[in-house]
Parts: sequence; structure tokens; C-alpha cells
Amino acid sequence: SQTIHQWPATLVQPVGSPLSLECTVEGTSNPNLYWYRQAAGRGLQLLFYSVGIGQISSEVPQNLSASRPQDRQFILSSKKLLLSDSGFYLCAWSGSGNTEAFFGQGTRLTVV
Amino acid sequence: AQTVTQSQPEMSVQEAETVTLSCTYDTSENNYYLFWYKQPPSRQMILVIRQEAYKQQNATENRFSVNFQKAAKSFSLKISDSQLGDTAMYFCAFISYGGSQGNLIFGKGTKLSVKP
Repeated sequence: SQTIHQWPATLVQPVGSPLSLECTVEGTSNPNLYWYRQAAGRGLQLLFYSVGIGQISSEVPQNLSASRPQDRQFILSSKKLLLSDSGFYLCAWSGSGNTEAFFGQGTRLTVV
Repeated sequence: AQTVTQSQPEMSVQEAETVTLSCTYDTSENNYYLFWYKQPPSRQMILVIRQEAYKQQNATENRFSVNFQKAAKSFSLKISDSQLGDTAMYFCAFISYGGSQGNLIFGKGTKLSVKP
């Protein structure tokens, strides 16, 4: 069966520090991968999605970047965090047939 | 570009009653999927129900059913016999079918409170 792993679960980082959040999927190949951010009391904002290795689409220009070095690995990064980067980050995958998305447990990022 | 709109930021319902959450969307695509996700306080996103656009029959999952109106681009969720455990944020979502259209778009959510 397919599983998705996202870590860490919580993270407190100082302003100006780098960020790396990792997401891996098991049990499937060539998934569509997504990074979302959910600010407090708000909906899900799509940050990046990827339909294949090295293929990244950015939905919102910002301080963050994403990479997909392997088929089932999706990384969210920043060189220098801002206070406004605080939020709840969710990784998700869907099959190549674009059926429902399956979500990781999420990472609560607090930039101080 | 596709958009998903949930016009009800918050709703409440008495336990055992029925509630309907609204969702409208905009797309030029003809083939797509629509979903309702639930996010309880634990923040885990859970799929509640899905609808394929090519199917005219409304999807049903136990106490959850949808009213899919393709021409009106409307996709509402009905929860029957509401339970305390239904208290959560509910998100409507859209994804186009196949090809390179990989982006899954969410509405801003509706916070549902079930009162005893």
C-alpha cells in the first residue's frame, strides 16, 4: 500500500536561517507531488507541484523553492526564512490519473 | 485558471441534524474530479468523498452525499445525522483529469461545528 512520510512534524527556526522539509512517498511510482501552506485560520495555498523528476511548477512567487531529486522525493527549501513563512506545511501526492490526493501529517513551522 | 469558492467561512449544526456545505468552481476543462476533504483539529487531511465530472450520479458515502450540478459548476456536501466527530474544517477541491494538469486546487474551507 502507498504511504507518505513528511518530516519534521514541528520546527522552530530563527529568521534568516535555511529551511529543508522533506517528503517521500512509498508504494507508487511517478506520483504527482504537492506542497501546500496553511496559514492560521486560512485555507490551503498551493505552493508547488511536480508531475515528474526535475519538473516543478510554482504557483506563488515567494521566498521558497522546491526540488524533486528522485521520483518519490519532494523537498521544500528556503535559503533565508522570513517571519511570514510561519505556517502549517502539507505535502501530498496523487496518482498519474489525478484521482484523490493523499496527505502527509504536516509540518508546523514557526519562524522566530 | 481554475478556482474553487466556498462562500461559508463558518457553519454550525445541532447533533443529529442535516447540514449542507456549498462549493462552486470555475474551469474550462470538461474532465475533472471534485473532492471534499475534512481536516479535524489533528490537522490530518482526510478524504470524505469524490465525484468524477463525467458521472451524472451524485456520489454517496454513508452519511455524506453530494449535489453535483455540472452546468452550474456547483458541488455541495450534505452531512446527514451530524455527529460531534464531524466537527472540522471542510475543504472542497478540484483537479483536472490526466495530462500535465497536476495541480489540485482547494477552496478556503468551511469551519463546521456540531453542537450537542
